[in-house]
Amino acid sequence: AQKVTQAQTEISVVEKEDVTLDCVYETRDTTYYLFWYKQPPSGELVFLIRRNSFDEQNEISGRYSWNFQKSTSSFNFTITASQVVDSAVYFCALLSGGSNYKLTFGKGTLLTVNP
Amino acid sequence: DAGVTQSPTHLIKTRGQHVTLRCSPISGHKSVSWYQQVLGQGPQFIFQYYEKEERGRGNFPDRFSARQFPNYSSELNVNALLLGDSALYLCASSPRQGLTEAFFGQGTRLTVV
Repeated sequence: AQKVTQAQTEISVVEKEDVTLDCVYETRDTTYYLFWYKQPPSGELVFLIRRNSFDEQNEISGRYSWNFQKSTSSFNFTITASQVVDSAVYFCALLSGGSNYKLTFGKGTLLTVNP
Repeated sequence: DAGVTQSPTHLIKTRGQHVTLRCSPISGHKSVSWYQQVLGQGPQFIFQYYEKEERGRGNFPDRFSARQFPNYSSELNVNALLLGDSALYLCASSPRQGLTEAFFGQGTRLTVV
């Protein structure tokens, strides 16, 4: 069975602070993909990043960076110099080789960036 | 290019009623998936349809059904609505059965009273 755990339910920071959102996953498959989505109040899930299980290279995109560590089954997301527009719910999701037709989501982390 | 479109945006129904939600995928995409997101939780997989056939089903009762049309649009039907069916229903569009590329619509917010 696949499982995604986002232990942080809510995080509140002040603008310009750095913030890290944690994600821990479980799967028995050797081939899988990990995702991060952003959900603003409008409801739409906005794709941020996808990593496959064979690529542990960390990635940076502007103020966003992702740290994938298979040894600890974690895929953490860091926002540097946070902005008010970053306020949203962030979801980590798993797509596992044996069930590649469905995404398994964590419960999400509500990030509030205060001015 | 149009993204994934869902209709209606909001809906209020009474317990016991039936509801139909609609989704149009991105042009050229042949896969449509449905997810239920209850307030405060992550989306839960309901169905996937690919090439007009059901390819996967989540742990939902038989009151939930879906279909995909020749133009790849899809409908999600829920019968005998319960208060617990109140949720945001999200549709995801993908070019292939595997969801390595999945694009979500803005969702339909269903309230059952």
